[in-house]
Amino acid sequence: QSVLTQPPSASGTPGQRVTISCSGSSSNIGSNYVYWYQQLPGTAPKLLIYRNNQRPSGVPDRFSGSKSGTSASLAISGLRSEDEADYYCAAWDDSLSVVVFGGGTKLTVL
Amino acid sequence: QVQLVESGGGVVQPGGSLRLSCAASGFTFSSYGMHWVRQAPGKGLEWVAFIRYDGSNKYYADSVKGRFTISRDNSKNTLYLQMNSLRAEDTAVYYCAKAHSVDTAMVYPMDVWGKGTTVTVSS
Repeated sequence: QSVLTQPPSASGTPGQRVTISCSGSSSNIGSNYVYWYQQLPGTAPKLLIYRNNQRPSGVPDRFSGSKSGTSASLAISGLRSEDEADYYCAAWDDSLSVVVFGGGTKLTVL
Repeated sequence: QVQLVESGGGVVQPGGSLRLSCAASGFTFSSYGMHWVRQAPGKGLEWVAFIRYDGSNKYYADSVKGRFTISRDNSKNTLYLQMNSLRAEDTAVYYCAKAHSVDTAMVYPMDVWGKGTTVTVSS
């Protein structure tokens, strides 16, 4: 059971906008930055969003992050087939003194 | 560019030990905290351990506390994970990852990841 809660799956058609939620608590998302990672099949995770809503250089602006209270969201607009991957949220947890991950969301582009 | 290369994975019997290494390059290794993260076959990401830039503080997941030890050698730009009393449930790909910020006021999650090294615990 993951400390951060994500839906196990999401889907959309090319060009659509999809959002993936990440729910936590006051000790993690509520008081620390949220990070998002994309993991393509058979590869290492890649940083997609840092500090809640910042994109590293090279990440398309189709990807955006937001945070409100103890929840965060990743939005992907203009969905493309190459976006099909697993997506994970993560944050430091002040009470547990660990990094906590969401269980991951498998995104399917129909 | 920033590069992290893990090594040391392999097949080990339950109860055995293994030491993973992570060679870092392309950044000032001694300025950044470092993480180990693992992923069991077909499962999600599980954070394992973190060590501050100077080794002064270490944090562990409950699942590995008392069995795994994270360490670093800043003179060699290398991160380590000593794994003892290995169990079948430790079977996973182990990733070394750099903390996102040099800010020491808090622990930052990962930005750059290595490609991983596979550990299989089986008799």
